[in-house]
Amino acid sequence: DAGVIQSPRHEVTEMGQEVTLRCKPISGHNSLFWYRQTMMRGLELLIYFNNNVPIDDSGMPEDRFSAKMPNASFSTLKIQPSEPRDSAVYFCASSFRASGDEKLFFGSGTQLSVL
Amino acid sequence: AQKVTQAQTEISVVEKEDVTLDCVYETRDTTYYLFWYKQPPSGELVFLIRRNSFDEQNEISGRYSWNFQKSTSSFNFTITASQVVDSAVYFCALSEGSGYSTLTFGKGTMLLVSP
Repeated sequence: DAGVIQSPRHEVTEMGQEVTLRCKPISGHNSLFWYRQTMMRGLELLIYFNNNVPIDDSGMPEDRFSAKMPNASFSTLKIQPSEPRDSAVYFCASSFRASGDEKLFFGSGTQLSVL
Repeated sequence: AQKVTQAQTEISVVEKEDVTLDCVYETRDTTYYLFWYKQPPSGELVFLIRRNSFDEQNEISGRYSWNFQKSTSSFNFTITASQVVDSAVYFCALSEGSGYSTLTFGKGTMLLVSP
């Protein structure tokens, strides 16, 4: 069974450019999470979806960040315009349901560098 | 608000030594779940264990063991006879049990096992 698939694995872009990160959750999972990992702040939840509906986006840093989940098998996280402080590893994770006892399955992450 | 503290930023041991990774949590809920995840150098986060707040039994899985103590709000992780392959960043995480709930991660402990 395929795990959570993220693309690209690495992204290098220049400040001001639009960046789109992609995620395919595990089939049958109905909850999807976007996390950001930095040295300073560790792993932070940006947004999560349940049944394709955004439930909590309070972790999204600012209006430059947006996330969509048009269907159960695909989600995007977009940064427009990107800034150097957005450089981080972005993880997508999915779970069978969005309850507290569910373990998350993580993708391999996207290493984003904004120059 | 929930919080997870991993006071050890980095631990270095020599192969075959035992090592304990500390985790202290804060929550106001009586129902909650504690997790450990491993992040090897390849980058993805891998689920190791989940405990609920009503089950204080210690758990052993091969060389891994977990000690959950509600009295001290701790959920420590011990690796016995460490191996080089155990080198990774280990994250402790907490989610509260009511309704939609998401994981709050500690900052992680980097474990380096040298031959």
